[in-house]
This record gives sequence, structure tokens and C-alpha cells, in this order.
Amino acid sequence: GENVEQHPSTLSVQEGDSAVIKCTYSDSASNYFPWYKQELGKRPQLIIDIRSNVGEKKDQRIAVTLNKTAKHFSLHITETQPEDSAVYFCAAWYSSASKIIFGSGTRLSIRP
Amino acid sequence: ETGVTQTPRHLVMGMTNKKSLKCEQHLGHNAMYWYKQSAKKPLELMFVYSLEERVENNSVPSRFSPECPNSSHLFLHLHTLQPEDSALYLCASSPLPGLNYNEQFFGPGTRLTVL
Repeated sequence: GENVEQHPSTLSVQEGDSAVIKCTYSDSASNYFPWYKQELGKRPQLIIDIRSNVGEKKDQRIAVTLNKTAKHFSLHITETQPEDSAVYFCAAWYSSASKIIFGSGTRLSIRP
Repeated sequence: ETGVTQTPRHLVMGMTNKKSLKCEQHLGHNAMYWYKQSAKKPLELMFVYSLEERVENNSVPSRFSPECPNSSHLFLHLHTLQPEDSALYLCASSPLPGLNYNEQFFGPGTRLTVL
């Protein structure tokens, strides 16, 4: 069945360094890959997304890359700041089944 | 404030109780969703409504019953729940109708505890 694996489950980086979170998906029919950020006690919020006809997308310090052949996509955060500390979820949308599968989340901590 | 509100924010109920969760969106969106978020588990999509019609039910037990009376309101009726149903229940809405996925705007969630 459909599955999204996300790694690592926890990540600690020094402020100013880069953070990378990786996800793999199982069904090649997936065509939309959003990333959500959830701060402690708050609701998830979309931070960036990418569609299957694009290989890379960037928005200021955040970028997402997609490798359709390998069926994996990654979130890159550069020049990390304390406010980047949160849980990040990747997801894969399967339009043929009208279903979205989320990864298990990555807890990112930024060390001062 | 994202424009998606949920009530109540916290709910404690016994296994024999019947309760309802309410979601309201003020964004003019055409699709609404219920998610379950458990500790140490991925977000799970439960139900999808598009233009007030249910388009997806991801094998959710019948003790959860959704209702979408109009495009701004979504309910989740609960009855005879189990302790393992304790979780954060998130409502979300998105702009486009149909089955094309697009940005989800989440509500603050209802923290449900089943005793």
C-alpha cells in the first residue's frame, strides 16, 4: 500500500547551519508533495510544496527537491534560526485515490 | 488566526457518551477535512468533503460519523469510542473543490480524551 517514510525523526543543528529532512514515497502516481511545519501546541502550516512536474522549488531559506525516479523528496533549510524549531511533516498526495499520506514527522531543534 | 475554528478545544468523554466536534471555516473554501493526530504517529486523513459531498472515507470506524451541512461547517459525531481514539482531531479546509489537493488550512484542533 501507499507509504511515506521520513528521516530523521529528530534533528538538532547549530544556529546558522543547514538542516535537511528526507522523505521517500512508495507510489509513483503521487503528484503533489507538501511540507508542513507544526510548532509546539499549534496547528500545522504549509511552508512549501512541489508538484511532480518540477524538480526543485525555493522560497527564501527553504527549498524542496524532488527526485521522481528515486521517489524521494527533501526539505532544505539554510541559515537556521531559533524560530525554525518545530516538527516538520512531509506528505504525498495521490490524486487517483484522493488520498494524502503523511510522514511520521521530524522534530527539528536549533541550538543557540 | 487562520480562519478555521474548532470547538470544543478540549473534550473528555466516557466510552458510552455521544459527543460532536464542530469545525467552521471563514475562508470561502470548498473542501473540508478531518484528520487524527496521535502521539508518535503520522497525521491520518479521516474524511474529505468537497462541495459538501463526502469524497473519501479512509477506512474509518463507524463510531466516527461526519456531517457537512454546508461548505462552511463540518461536524464529527462520536459515539461509543475507545481509549485508543484519544488524540488531537484537526479540521482543515482548502480552496479548490474536487479531488485536486491543494494547501490545507488547519484549525487549532480538539484534544479528545476517552476514558
